[in-house]
Amino acid sequence: AQKVTQAQTEISVVEKEDVTLDCVYETRDTTYYLFWYKQPPSGELVFLIRRNSFDEQNEISGRYSWNFQKSTSSFNFTITASQVVDSAVYFCALNDMRFGAGTRLTVKP
Amino acid sequence: DVKVTQSSRYLVKRTGEKVFLECVQDMDHENMFWYRQDPGLGLRLIYFSYDVKMKEKGDIPEGYSVSREKKERFSLILESASTNQTSMYLCASSSGWGDEQFFGPGTRLTVL
Repeated sequence: AQKVTQAQTEISVVEKEDVTLDCVYETRDTTYYLFWYKQPPSGELVFLIRRNSFDEQNEISGRYSWNFQKSTSSFNFTITASQVVDSAVYFCALNDMRFGAGTRLTVKP
Repeated sequence: DVKVTQSSRYLVKRTGEKVFLECVQDMDHENMFWYRQDPGLGLRLIYFSYDVKMKEKGDIPEGYSVSREKKERFSLILESASTNQTSMYLCASSSGWGDEQFFGPGTRLTVL
């Protein structure tokens, strides 16, 4: 069975704080893909990153960074120096079709 | 600019009605998906299609059917709408397994 757990339902931070969104996954596949998507208040999900199971290198894109650890089956997402525009619901996903419940991030000015 | 469009942003229907939700993508993608999004449950897959006229059940297909007669169009059908089908419905497409999905804006369906 495949499963994605995002244990943090809601997180609230003040602007400029760093914040980490957790994602834990379960799969028996040796080849798989992990994703993060952002759903801003407007509603449309937007792709952020994809990682395949053979690439454990951390990824950094501006203020965003991702930490993939197969040993703990985790694919965590960190926003450095958060901004109000980062307020959204963030989804972690496994392969094409298995999404977590999402984490609602609120960044207050 | 790549796009996935859905026929309605908001829809209100009555119990027992037959409901059609349409999704069109202009990216020549092979795969198309229908999800429903409910608070605390995230996105749950209803059906997906990896080719014209092909369809596969997702996690919650009961009460739904789909149609894909053309590559760019994937329709979700509620044969007899019920109040527990009140939800946000999201359509997505991708070029292949493991590729990023492009999402439509969603249809918020209310069944009275």
